[in-house]
Amino acid sequence: QLQLQESGPGLVKPSETLSLTCTVSGGSVSSSSYYWGWIRQPPGKGLEWIGSMYYSGSTYYNPSLKSRVTISVDTSKNQFSLNLSSVTAADTGLYYCARGRYQLVSMDVWGIGTTVTVSS
Amino acid sequence: QSVLTQPPSASGTPGQRVTISCSGSRSNIGSNSVNWYQQLPGTAPKLLIHSNNQRPSGVPDRFSGSKSGTSASLAISGLQSGDEADYYCAVWDDSLNGVVFGGGTKLTVL
Repeated sequence: QLQLQESGPGLVKPSETLSLTCTVSGGSVSSSSYYWGWIRQPPGKGLEWIGSMYYSGSTYYNPSLKSRVTISVDTSKNQFSLNLSSVTAADTGLYYCARGRYQLVSMDVWGIGTTVTVSS
Repeated sequence: QSVLTQPPSASGTPGQRVTISCSGSRSNIGSNSVNWYQQLPGTAPKLLIHSNNQRPSGVPDRFSGSKSGTSASLAISGLQSGDEADYYCAVWDDSLNGVVFGGGTKLTVL
């Protein structure tokens, strides 16, 4: 059974880069026809899509974050990663990784999420 | 302010049928498939409906989705206390070139 697990620093300083990794177990990040994405949720608020990567390497980013976001994959470690640069307090929240199955927006497997706080 | 508009709250009694709406535009719901997510308190979202009206394996048939024009709806029949959660619609937006989520609807079972 596919499982995803987010990991990374829980505290990031303003203006620095937030880096998170999602480890895939029970399946392969190279499996065809799947997307691998990141979604975040500010405290007490709704969901916001950050971006996704297709198994082939194509990337899709939220236009409002595009200038600061990079999603990459490490097939040797069966992981994919999120880098979000120049963070501010507005980037504080719960970050989820997820697999897109039927289409990019249909995310059928999620990690449990990891909390990131941006503060000096 | 989300591109997709959902009512902030909905409620019903056990056994009742409730519907949650999601209103969009031609560039999102009008052009692409709608997905619905359920987020139980303190947990990650769960895909309930994909491709407008398809249930992933394991999702009870009490949950159903529909779409008409630029609006979509999630219906929950035989309401149970365990259905208390936040519900989100999500769709690809051709104008924004990205995924958009509705603001979410908090469902309360009275």
